[in-house]
Amino acid sequence: DIQMTQSPSSLSASVGDRVTITCQASQDISNSLNWYKQKPGKVPKLLIYDASNLEIGVPPRFSGSGSGTNFTFTISSLQPEDIATYYCLQYDNLPRTFGQGTKLEIK
Amino acid sequence: QVQLVQSGAEVKKPGASVKVSCKVSGYILIELSMHWVRQAPGKGLEWMGGFDPEDGETIYAQKFQGRVTMTEDKSTDTAYMELSSLRSEDTAVYYCATDPDYWGQGTLVTVSS
Repeated sequence: DIQMTQSPSSLSASVGDRVTITCQASQDISNSLNWYKQKPGKVPKLLIYDASNLEIGVPPRFSGSGSGTNFTFTISSLQPEDIATYYCLQYDNLPRTFGQGTKLEIK
Repeated sequence: QVQLVQSGAEVKKPGASVKVSCKVSGYILIELSMHWVRQAPGKGLEWMGGFDPEDGETIYAQKFQGRVTMTEDKSTDTAYMELSSLRSEDTAVYYCATDPDYWGQGTLVTVSS
């Protein structure tokens, strides 16, 4: 099974800051990676698919990059509504696997 | 518009089984690959299993093999996830999710004596 190592597990930043989260796959997954945002009690929301493609309706301050085993998710200018937990998901192989999540808080 | 509507919350005793349904509307179930994901209270997302269109089979995460069964009723566009031999650690919100990316609203399953 492919392991996804996501870091950091938590992050505190100020409004307007640039925020970066990483996911590392235990083997090559090409660009088969999604990034999700989840607020407490809510359904996960897809932000980025195929590692770098912005889902329709998602603000352009969100972006993703990477391929192979190393992936990065960036919020260019943190907004208060971005407070949530973020997850990566690899779908190159079954079983699919999520990263452990990054809880983002406002400083 | 695609909607996935799941069945309501369940409370089960340890050792029992639970069957959660996921009704698809706005799309035909056979055109989607259905997956199931769960989230224990305060924990992360966990993929349980899903349909592999390359070989036409449902693949289960090793952790759940032998205890989980995922089925589909194409006549009603409804998917089901049944988990048996429940224990307290199975208390979680269970989601159906598809390719392309649509999610049900989640079903809380509580396992308690």
